[in-house]
Amino acid sequence: AQTVTQSQPEMSVQEAETVTLSCTYDTSESDYYLFWYKQPPSRQMILVIRQEAYKQQNATENRFSVNFQKAAKSFSLKISDSQLGDAAMYFCAYRSRDNYGQNFVFGPGTRLSVLP
Amino acid sequence: DAGITQSPRHKVTETGTPVTLRCHQTENHRYMYWYRQDPGHGLRLIHYSYGVKDTDKGEVSDGYSVSRSKTEDFLLTLESATSSQTSVYFCAISGPRTARSEQYFGPGTRLTVT
Repeated sequence: AQTVTQSQPEMSVQEAETVTLSCTYDTSESDYYLFWYKQPPSRQMILVIRQEAYKQQNATENRFSVNFQKAAKSFSLKISDSQLGDAAMYFCAYRSRDNYGQNFVFGPGTRLSVLP
Repeated sequence: DAGITQSPRHKVTETGTPVTLRCHQTENHRYMYWYRQDPGHGLRLIHYSYGVKDTDKGEVSDGYSVSRSKTEDFLLTLESATSSQTSVYFCAISGPRTARSEQYFGPGTRLTVT
């Protein structure tokens, strides 16, 4: 079974600075998706960024980018120019490419604080 | 935002009572999921559905049952609630027409079992 690990339970960053959240995963599959979700205090789960494993190019969405290292099974999220609204829980998630069912696995989350 | 609602949004119940949570979608997506969120565990899959009347168990299905009688509704039932089922419950949807392959989540239901 696949597992997702986020080794940083909590992190903090100064406003306008850059922070990187770590995620590693374990799988025997070669084709899959990886995601970062943000959960602000409102509790709503919001998709931040998505990476397809067959793509070598790292995904970017405005201030958010990933460092996808397939061989190392690492998928870190970089937030540039951090803003107060970035404060949230961040979850890394894995999904098998062809299975829409139960193979959607989440990590335990990293709580990010943004200091003014 | 994807059209997903959950009801109730908050519920307090006593140990041993039955509880049903409802998830309703307006997106006509095929797949629906129930997760529970607990500190240190992220989201864990309880049950999922891949069509009307088609459901299967997830990682933490013990003590829970589900039903899906129509595409838009997915019900999660705790037959006899226990304190260990105090959690935040999320419904999610996805489907072949979800171009980016992600899951869309409802707003969550906070359930407290006393």
